[in-house]
Amino acid sequence: DIQMTQSPSSLSASVGDRVTITCRASQSISFYLNWYRQKPGQAPNLLIYAASSLQSGVPSRFSGSGSGTDFTLTISSLQPEDFATYYCQQSYSMPTFGQGTKVEIK
Amino acid sequence: EVQLVESGGGLVQPGGSLRLSCAASGFTISSYWMTWVRQAPGKGLEWVGNIKQDGSEKYYVDSVKGRFTISRDNAKNSLYLQMNSLRAEDTAVYYCARQTLVTPSTPDYWGQGTLVTVTS
Repeated sequence: DIQMTQSPSSLSASVGDRVTITCRASQSISFYLNWYRQKPGQAPNLLIYAASSLQSGVPSRFSGSGSGTDFTLTISSLQPEDFATYYCQQSYSMPTFGQGTKVEIK
Repeated sequence: EVQLVESGGGLVQPGGSLRLSCAASGFTISSYWMTWVRQAPGKGLEWVGNIKQDGSEKYYVDSVKGRFTISRDNAKNSLYLQMNSLRAEDTAVYYCARQTLVTPSTPDYWGQGTLVTVTS
């Protein structure tokens, strides 16, 4: 199985901050990498697919980049609804998720 | 509006069985791969498995192979997860999800989840 490792596991930030989360795959997954946001008590919500494509209806403050083994999710200006847990997921083979990054209010 | 509503969760003893259902509305599931993902309490997400549009292909994570079966009834616009030989480690919220048409194994719409608790 392909292992996905996110960093950091948690971070504290303020509204308006620029936030970057990274995800590393244990082997090359080309661009088959997705990002989700999960608010407490809710189902995950697809933000970015295929490493850098913005899902319909998702605000443009979210962006993704990377290919191969190293990927990044950037939130350009953190909003109150963005305090949540973020997961990366590879769709190159049997899908696996990262362990999650919790974004908390500073 | 796309909606997915899971049902069938509950309390079950180790070794027991449970069948989850997922009713879809706002779209026709016959056009989409469908997926089950689970999340143990306070933990991360785990892919359980998925099923092709016509049910001809199914894939499962190793931890559930031989115990769980995904099926679908396109006429009823519904997805199912039959879970047998349940273990304590199967305790989780189970989400059904629709996969995008654009890229493989990428859920774009999720249900609200149903909790399965395996305990004696």
